[in-house]
Amino acid sequence: QQQVKQSPQSLIVQKGGISIINCAYENTAFDYFPWYQQFPGKGPALLIAIRPDVSEKKEGRFTISFNKSAKQFSLHIMDSQPGDSATYFCAASRDPSGFYFGTGTSLTVIP
Amino acid sequence: EAGVAQSPRYKIIEKRQSVAFWCNPISGHATLYWYQQILGQGPKLLIQFQNNGVVDDSQLPKDRFSAERLKGVDSTLKIQPAKLEDSAVYLCASSSIRWGGHYEQYFGPGTRLTVT
Repeated sequence: QQQVKQSPQSLIVQKGGISIINCAYENTAFDYFPWYQQFPGKGPALLIAIRPDVSEKKEGRFTISFNKSAKQFSLHIMDSQPGDSATYFCAASRDPSGFYFGTGTSLTVIP
Repeated sequence: EAGVAQSPRYKIIEKRQSVAFWCNPISGHATLYWYQQILGQGPKLLIQFQNNGVVDDSQLPKDRFSAERLKGVDSTLKIQPAKLEDSAVYLCASSSIRWGGHYEQYFGPGTRLTVT
């Protein structure tokens, strides 16, 4: 059973555009929702994370929107750049253990 | 600050053989994770250690996979015997849980295992 569902599987965006990736979860015990960026041949790197008591968090060009009632959260990348081309994973975790990743979104930003 | 170290980076073995992976976490990080990432999928947590104790191994195929973290620092993950479906990248991550439960995980580069 997939604990975290992620869409779309792939995304192509023009430079300067907005990239939006969505995730949904079922387990209401999850209390930590991070997004990771992964480049080929590298391990995932934490991009931004949110807790369920906050509806939005922004760090630079990256924003997480969180809808607790709908059990959904999304990543918005503003002013997308070619260097943002990578695979993005959402994840959900509960204290003290259990870490579940989505299936990933391959983002390509066209110059 | 040195990152998470893993070795080897690549390994090719035949099915039914054994293989072991090594991970050295960031100094001072009490929590260590092993993940399996099959090509085109997200990482799947295999086992989580807090110091040298197991916190979660619910998704570890215990008939063939084993892991240990002696002295609460380095860790090894072993597969014995390997199957074709074990071909994947094995990622190690570590974290230092701060007050408030911030689970920022730092990942190593991974070990790419190919089983033929």
